[in-house]
Amino acid sequence: DVKVTQSSRYLVKRTGEKVFLECVQDMDHENMFWYRQDPGLGLRLIYFSYDVKMKEKGDIPEGYSVSREKKERFSLILESASTNQTSMYLCASSLFWTGGVGSNQPQHFGDGTRLSIL
Amino acid sequence: KQEVTQIPAALSVPEGENLVLNCSFTDSAIYNLQWFRQDPGKGLTSLLLIQSSQREQTSGRLNASLDKSSGRSTLYIAASQPGDSATYLCAVPGTNSKLTFGKGITLSVRP
Repeated sequence: DVKVTQSSRYLVKRTGEKVFLECVQDMDHENMFWYRQDPGLGLRLIYFSYDVKMKEKGDIPEGYSVSREKKERFSLILESASTNQTSMYLCASSLFWTGGVGSNQPQHFGDGTRLSIL
Repeated sequence: KQEVTQIPAALSVPEGENLVLNCSFTDSAIYNLQWFRQDPGKGLTSLLLIQSSQREQTSGRLNASLDKSSGRSTLYIAASQPGDSATYLCAVPGTNSKLTFGKGITLSVRP
């Protein structure tokens, strides 16, 4: 089974701190994703990566950056944490989409990190 | 832009009922549709992925159907149990495997 591991289940940080959220997957997946989930807003994509050192912005990248130095690890960075970044953060991975009908692959999720910014 | 809708937002049923959870999407040019389960405070667990070439996909008491032309998918849960209580989300992929999610249906199965 695919395992996606997020380094922390709960995290409390202060406004202005630089925060690192780590995600590791063990199935050699090319694609990795970071989402945040908020009540009433659902899941929103922050950033994704389809290869080492490659990254693309999702729907809400402002205030975040990412790093992918190794294939199995994808880090989300809050450059200067703010209270509106208090949320549940979810990491996911999937095999690369080769295109064509029926070739897309399911995304597998970690358990999430509940981040509180005080 | 793809939009995914799940109505109602919450559902409460007595144990043993067969139930249907609905998902609708605006752009029918999809390759597949994925159903997830989320327990409170946890991540998402993939339940079923139904390809655009399929009409149905089954796993145990779960059956997902997909009708691309009408922009709809249903998740059928047979003989519901209290352990089925969770939030169920559907999602469809766009470019580069990016998923668009519905906001989920929170199911409560009463003993």
